[in-house]
Amino acid sequence: AQSVTQLGSHVSVSEGALVLLRCNYSSSVPPYLFWYVQYPNQGLQLLLKYTSAATLVKGINGFEAEFKKSETSFHLTKPSAHMSDAAEYFCAVSVKSQGNLIFGKGTKLSVKP
Amino acid sequence: DTAVSQTPKYLVTQMGNDKSIKCEQNLGHDTMYWYKQDSKKFLKIMFSYNNKELIINETVPNRFSPKSPDKAHLNLHINSLELGDSAVYFCASSQVTVGNTIYFGEGSWLTVV
Repeated sequence: AQSVTQLGSHVSVSEGALVLLRCNYSSSVPPYLFWYVQYPNQGLQLLLKYTSAATLVKGINGFEAEFKKSETSFHLTKPSAHMSDAAEYFCAVSVKSQGNLIFGKGTKLSVKP
Repeated sequence: DTAVSQTPKYLVTQMGNDKSIKCEQNLGHDTMYWYKQDSKKFLKIMFSYNNKELIINETVPNRFSPKSPDKAHLNLHINSLELGDSAVYFCASSQVTVGNTIYFGEGSWLTVV
């Protein structure tokens, strides 16, 4: 069975600081991995995805993530946080046989001025 | 033009009532989903339809009944609403090739009082 674990339900950074949101996956087959963002009272928007091409994936809004098979990780980073980055972030793995997503429990990112 | 649209966005109703949430996608996708997000922000798949055929039916009370009149629509009907049904319900769609992006609607906030 596939699963993802997001370490840290709440991360707080100062504006301009590095953002690091952690995601580890479990999968018996090569995974497809996703990061989604949810702003308050809104739906989920895709930030980026890994589908077995380049291990460093660049997404929207300056975010990127690196797939590390040896560490079973897919951490999300952004060099400099902006106030507008405050949101809930979800890591997800695609279920190979069905195409739907299994989500982690989410990490709430707060950005302090 | 909204890719995945669902109505209503907010719904407050009394216990025991029956309600429906409608969803439409204009992306030409062959697969549609319903996800439930609970009060702790946890997202879980409820149902998935591929070309109007039910392919995922998670452990959901049979008071929940999805209906897909065509590939572009997937409605969710809930009978005899209970307090525990209060949640955000997200409709989504994708072209069911593994690793393809799932696109989410804005969500329907259901409150049962």
